[in-house]
Amino acid sequence: EVQLLESGGGLVQSGGSLRLSCAGSGFIFSNYAMYWVRQAPGKGLEWVSIINPSSGRIYYADSVRGRFTISRDNSKNTLYLQMNNLRAEDTAIYYCAKVRIVESVYDGFDIWGQGTVVVVSS
Amino acid sequence: DIVMTQSPDSLAVSLGERATINCKSSQNVFHNSINKNQVAWYQQKPGQPPKLLIYWASTRESGVPDRFSGSGSGTDFTLTISSLQAEDVAVYYCQQYYSTPPGTFGQGTKVEVK
Repeated sequence: EVQLLESGGGLVQSGGSLRLSCAGSGFIFSNYAMYWVRQAPGKGLEWVSIINPSSGRIYYADSVRGRFTISRDNSKNTLYLQMNNLRAEDTAIYYCAKVRIVESVYDGFDIWGQGTVVVVSS
Repeated sequence: DIVMTQSPDSLAVSLGERATINCKSSQNVFHNSINKNQVAWYQQKPGQPPKLLIYWASTRESGVPDRFSGSGSGTDFTLTISSLQAEDVAVYYCQQYYSTPPGTFGQGTKVEVK
């Protein structure tokens, strides 16, 4: 079964740090671009960061650039999101998502994890 | 940046009736070299992650019921549920993957039963 499993969320004070992980299984992880997408309570979806299979192309939303770092370890089939200098507005469910087609970052997301909750207290 | 704007924000439809959701992009998202519109649609039920319904604006993802269809080109796109079922109550999002970086979502449309 193809699946993604996030971990690492929790409660942190403003200015603190967290590292999220996303373990992939059931597919060749190293062939696919991966995204982090977040959803604030009662709000819509916001893409946070993108990484291509080789880690050679990385993008960040303006709201997190300079504070968050995306990375991946293809030998461990795992995606990461290092989040520093967290703010109250970063409170959200964080999902990892797999791009539908191999290699490209330009496609829809066919597999999503169940999400991990990050709460930043001020 | 490409902005995706959905309308309406919510709609209530009787069971068995048609539901139509619109999505307008601030720029053309038709990719000439591959002859495809780079738009996806997702369904999100309460407490669940989003689920991919449609990609390339009109191609149904495997396993998605054929009552769901996508249409449109350029800047204007539509998701249609031809005969609303109770299990279709959800929030629906459009997304563009044309720009660099890709991934912008619309604000979502909540579909309820009238």
